[in-house]
Amino acid sequence: AQRVTQPEKLLSVFKGAPVELKCNYSYSGSPELFWYVQYSRQRLQLLLRHISRESIKGFTADLNKGETSFHLKKPFAQEEDSAMYYCALSGVGNTPLVFGKGTRLSVIA
Amino acid sequence: NAGVTQTPKFQVLKTGQSMTLQCAQDMNHNSMYWYRQDPGMGLRLIYYSASEGTTDKGEVPNGYNVSRLNKREFSLRLESAAPSQTSVYFCASDSPNEKLFFGSGTQLSVL
Repeated sequence: AQRVTQPEKLLSVFKGAPVELKCNYSYSGSPELFWYVQYSRQRLQLLLRHISRESIKGFTADLNKGETSFHLKKPFAQEEDSAMYYCALSGVGNTPLVFGKGTRLSVIA
Repeated sequence: NAGVTQTPKFQVLKTGQSMTLQCAQDMNHNSMYWYRQDPGMGLRLIYYSASEGTTDKGEVPNGYNVSRLNKREFSLRLESAAPSQTSVYFCASDSPNEKLFFGSGTQLSVL
């Protein structure tokens, strides 16, 4: 079964501090991992996908198959990063995305 | 603007009432999805449609029905609303760029 775990419901950091939002997954095959973000009053949108291996808005995420993790990181948090973040997994084939429960990031000025 | 359009944006129902949430996409995507978002529960898949004419149950289908009217439209129906169905409902379609392209959501309250 596919499962995504985000252990933190809420993460508060000060502006300029490093951020790490944790995501662990359970899947027997080779998954595709994603991070989605929902800013206040906006639709959910894709932030990162592991296959693209790019940095978006200063965020990066590396797939660690040994630890079955896909943590989202940013070296210096900004106030505009405050949002709800969801980690998601897609299995082999056209299977629907499975989401974690989300982590609300609050960046304090 | 191209995207996923959901109507209505807000709705209040009484227990036992029925309603249909509408979703339409103009991006020619094949697959469409309905998720519900609840605090502490994340996003849970209700139903999805891999292509026109097909629908499949997701994680939490009880109390809901869906119709894939054509390639553009995928509606979600609550036949007899219950307070447990109070939630924010998101429709999405399968996008090559975003994997899932989401609509802006429908906030539903069942009293």
